[in-house]
Amino acid sequence: EAGVAQSPRYKIIEKRQSVAFWCNPISGHATLYWYQQILGQGPKLLIQFQNNGVVDDSQLPKDRFSAERLKGVDSTLKIQPAKLEDSAVYLCASSSLNYGYTFGSGTRLTVV
Amino acid sequence: DQQVKQNSPSLSVQEGRISILNCDYTNSMFDYFLWYKKYPAEGPTFLISISSIKDKNEDGRFTVFLNKSAKHLSLHIVPSQPGDSAVYFCAASATSGTYKYIFGTGTRLKVLA
Repeated sequence: EAGVAQSPRYKIIEKRQSVAFWCNPISGHATLYWYQQILGQGPKLLIQFQNNGVVDDSQLPKDRFSAERLKGVDSTLKIQPAKLEDSAVYLCASSSLNYGYTFGSGTRLTVV
Repeated sequence: DQQVKQNSPSLSVQEGRISILNCDYTNSMFDYFLWYKKYPAEGPTFLISISSIKDKNEDGRFTVFLNKSAKHLSLHIVPSQPGDSAVYFCAASATSGTYKYIFGTGTRLKVLA
């Protein structure tokens, strides 16, 4: 089965610019997650979708981050405007109910 | 508030020996636990899981032990191989909730040839 696809793999932007990441989950996986992993830390959940509805976005900095999941399949995560502390790897994961995740390879964002 | 803790940031082990990676958690509602392995420039990959109804789960060279009273789990790799060198994350979830996983900070394992 195809894995979770993410693009781009790398992105370098200047602070105050905007950036968007894309994720295509495993076919049939209803639940999709975006995690932020800062260097030296474990992944931190930003937002969880069940189909195209948001289940948990309690740790999403909503003043600058937004996410959507179109038609319950692909998802985009946007940062506008970016700050230096947003430099991290952004991981997308999907799961079928009651099991662990499958992660994508991530997008490494560097804000300069 | 770090609900899942991996207190050893790094571990070095000789090839062929046992690697023991530890993880502690604070939330008594957690009842499902995973270990993930992460190589550089790749996303984490699932390794092994354990439900709170068990105290041990084994898959080949990998065994996970769960001590619910101590809120502690450990991953044993026997025998360790150089290809096991990676960062290992434990993650915990309360399955009565939304299945979201809380991750530890990771332990970097280096297996020396």
